[in-house]
Amino acid sequence: GAVVSQHPSWVICKSGTSVKIECRSLDFQATTMFWYRQFPKQSLMLMATSNEGSKATYEQGVEKDKFLINHASLTLSTLTVTSAHPEDSSFYICSAPARGNTEAFFGQGTRLTVV
Amino acid sequence: AQSVAQPEDQVNVAEGNPLTVKCTYSVSGNPYLFWYVQYPNRGLQFLLKYITGDNLVKGSYGFEAEFNKSQTSFHLKKPSALVSDSALYFCAVSPSGNTPLVFGKGTRLSVIA
Repeated sequence: GAVVSQHPSWVICKSGTSVKIECRSLDFQATTMFWYRQFPKQSLMLMATSNEGSKATYEQGVEKDKFLINHASLTLSTLTVTSAHPEDSSFYICSAPARGNTEAFFGQGTRLTVV
Repeated sequence: AQSVAQPEDQVNVAEGNPLTVKCTYSVSGNPYLFWYVQYPNRGLQFLLKYITGDNLVKGSYGFEAEFNKSQTSFHLKKPSALVSDSALYFCAVSPSGNTPLVFGKGTRLSVIA
């Protein structure tokens, strides 16, 4: 199947700093990528849809100025958590649909801890 | 709007016994249904999907799921559980192949030796 690579796998940062998470489609082009957030012992919640060459679409309640999404190429989308706070600590996962496939392919996830 | 319900937070089963993880869904039109498995601090691994065709879908690692339109269910099953099957299982639905998935809350499966 198609491969989606997410980096880093885990990161610890201080409050007030920014953290960038990368999501790459390794063997296919992805005009769309999805960013999810997962709180401990909870399900995945869609944060935003990343669109190559245009602005991301954010779900209700997600601060677009805090969670900056850039989809600069057909194989890379980035999520930047700006001015991170401890409540931003979570597991972030990206996914991308591959043309011709009906299932989405997921990155490995990024465990963000803000101290 | 689409929704998925996984009524069990936790399922415990003895190794070698059959397992079932339940899922019901609500979606307008014909659903795309999926099961994913997640190991600790890892992303999601695709197990199987139902798009159309046979109601019984076979997937990875010996798992299968049965699509039941009248009951709007898509329960995950395996005839003989392994300890290594212990993980968090998510049922998900999508109205099409290129839209984001809506996930159930997840069911933690524990297989006891």
